[in-house]
Amino acid sequence: AQKVTQAQTEISVVEKEDVTLDCVYETRDTTYYLFWYKQPPSGELVFLIRRNSFDEQNEISGRYSWNFQKSTSSFNFTITASQVVDSAVYFCALSEAPHPSTGANSKLTFGKGITLSVRP
Amino acid sequence: KAGVTQTPRYLIKTRGQQVTLSCSPISGHRSVSWYQQTPGQGLQFLFEYFSETQRNKGNFPGRFSGRQFSNSRSEMNVSTLELGDSALYLCASSQEPPGYGTEAFFGQGTRLTVV
Repeated sequence: AQKVTQAQTEISVVEKEDVTLDCVYETRDTTYYLFWYKQPPSGELVFLIRRNSFDEQNEISGRYSWNFQKSTSSFNFTITASQVVDSAVYFCALSEAPHPSTGANSKLTFGKGITLSVRP
Repeated sequence: KAGVTQTPRYLIKTRGQQVTLSCSPISGHRSVSWYQQTPGQGLQFLFEYFSETQRNKGNFPGRFSGRQFSNSRSEMNVSTLELGDSALYLCASSQEPPGYGTEAFFGQGTRLTVV
């Protein structure tokens, strides 16, 4: 069964601090996808990044960076020089390859989310 | 292009009633998934439709049902509402089903309150 654990529940930082959001996942599949989503107060989840299980290359995109390590089943997300607009709930999610005929596992499994508050 | 549209945005219903929520996916997307979000349980998968077929269903009672139309629009229905059904219901659309790695785009959700 697939599982995503976000051990941090709430993080509060002062603007311009760096912050890392942790994500640990469990899956028996060798083919899977990992995602980070951001949920601002308006409610919709905003897609941030996707990684497949065969691509451990870490990525930097502006102030955001991601660290994917299969050896520790972790997919961590770092915001550099945080801003007030980064305040939101951040979700890590996992999807496994679906069963070819039944479609089973065709879903996203989310962690509980991390509430990030960035204070001016 | 237009995003995922969910209607209505807010609903207040009484226990025992039924409710229908609607989701219009992004044009060209054939997969629609539904999730329930509550403070206690977080985001939980309800069901997923692809080309009018339900391909996957979460661990919810039979009171929760859904369907997808030929234009990919989807509806979910909850019958005999209970207080515990109060939640934010989110719809996600994607070109392919979630397991194929395409990103899902979410609507703003329908906030259902059962009194």
